[in-house]
Amino acid sequence: SQQGEEDPQALSIQEGENATMNCSYKTSINNLQWYRQNSGRGLVHLILIRSNEREKHSGRLRVTLDTSKKSSSLLITASRAADTASYFCATAPSQGGSEKLVFGKGTKLTVNP
Amino acid sequence: DAGVTQSPTHLIKTRGQQVTLRCSPKSGHDTVSWYQQALGQGPQFIFQYYEEEERQRGNFPDRFSGHQFPNYSSELNVNALLLGDSALYLCASSPWAELNTEAFFGQGTRLTVV
Repeated sequence: SQQGEEDPQALSIQEGENATMNCSYKTSINNLQWYRQNSGRGLVHLILIRSNEREKHSGRLRVTLDTSKKSSSLLITASRAADTASYFCATAPSQGGSEKLVFGKGTKLTVNP
Repeated sequence: DAGVTQSPTHLIKTRGQQVTLRCSPKSGHDTVSWYQQALGQGPQFIFQYYEEEERQRGNFPDRFSGHQFPNYSSELNVNALLLGDSALYLCASSPWAELNTEAFFGQGTRLTVV
């Protein structure tokens, strides 16, 4: 079963706009990670945020984590056509071993030139 | 550093057949995890190998089995293939001793069962 649920399922924006994707999860976690996938290929790691962190930045990416609401958001600023991809959140559960990742169904982002 | 490599990239098999997928982890990584990603879905955890032993297993039947070799590379075997086994199979590697670290994924093997 999938723990995370991304919202929205699909998002279409214009180049230069910001894109925000949300993720909710069900159990306690050690960390939450965001991945990007282009056209059904491999996953590319974007950012990892630990359960004791609230916000993290990496280039044009900003991730927030609210463990009380069991939710996270990924903000991509000044989007580019090359950002077109599916984005997945993945949680590392704190029980039963944190080694496996539990993925949501993803948000399909389309950035129009 | 070649990163995580998987072979083959594409595979077509007939129902009832058996298949073996291969994965070489990123240099310095000793743990390999396998995921199944059906079309339009997120990856689902199959199992994880460390020190040549299965450490964790997801909700997959015994038809799915694996192996890890002394050089940390791994194989995923699926017996008695079903049409529903058609999916992208992803391998991820990570260092066992480091919690809260990113997993590196390969490009995947696209399996089609006909």
